[in-house]
Amino acid sequence: GQNIDQPTEMTATEGAIVQINCTYQTSGFNGLFWYQQHAGEAPTFLSYNVLDGLEEKGRFSSFLSRSKGYSYLLLKELQMKDSASYLCAVGSTSGGSYIPTFGRGTSLIVHP
Amino acid sequence: KAGVTQTPRYLIKTRGQQVTLSCSPISGHRSVSWYQQTPGQGLQFLFEYFSETQRNKGNFPGRFSGRQFSNSRSEMNVSTLELGDSALYLCASSPKTGRVTGELFFGEGSRLTVL
Repeated sequence: GQNIDQPTEMTATEGAIVQINCTYQTSGFNGLFWYQQHAGEAPTFLSYNVLDGLEEKGRFSSFLSRSKGYSYLLLKELQMKDSASYLCAVGSTSGGSYIPTFGRGTSLIVHP
Repeated sequence: KAGVTQTPRYLIKTRGQQVTLSCSPISGHRSVSWYQQTPGQGLQFLFEYFSETQRNKGNFPGRFSGRQFSNSRSEMNVSTLELGDSALYLCASSPKTGRVTGELFFGEGSRLTVL
């Protein structure tokens, strides 16, 4: 089966940098995704990594190491609106089927 | 372009009843997947439909079922409701099925409360 671990909660200061880690165990790895979900809203796609390395998109970057089963989401120049839950999700293929597995999310609180 | 639309947004049912939830994907998206989100278990994959065929299925009992119509709209049904079925049910659409890019476009969900 799949197992995804990420911290439950993190706090950071406006303007700072925060790194949210995600470790996973899976067979048939087929990409890792990060989603942002504000309270009471739908998750929105942030990033996708399928090869090792860093993907940068504006203030957000995501890193993947497949050999270590590890990823992180880096948020720079934090803003109050970045307070949200960040979901790490791993795609895996098994028997021809594709199953996305989500972590329980990291609640990020940004304070002034 | 209109986003993913789910109806109803909120509903209350009692144990033993059944419920049907509806999802209209983004125009042109043929893949629709369903998820259950609870505080304890997080977001869990239920199933995915593409071109009216169920392509993938998560680890949920047979009480959970779904279908997709020729216009890509999808419904999911939960029969014989249990208290533990209380959750936010999210629908997501994608222009492609399964593994290709992984970018999912989520609706705002249907919040089901079972009493």
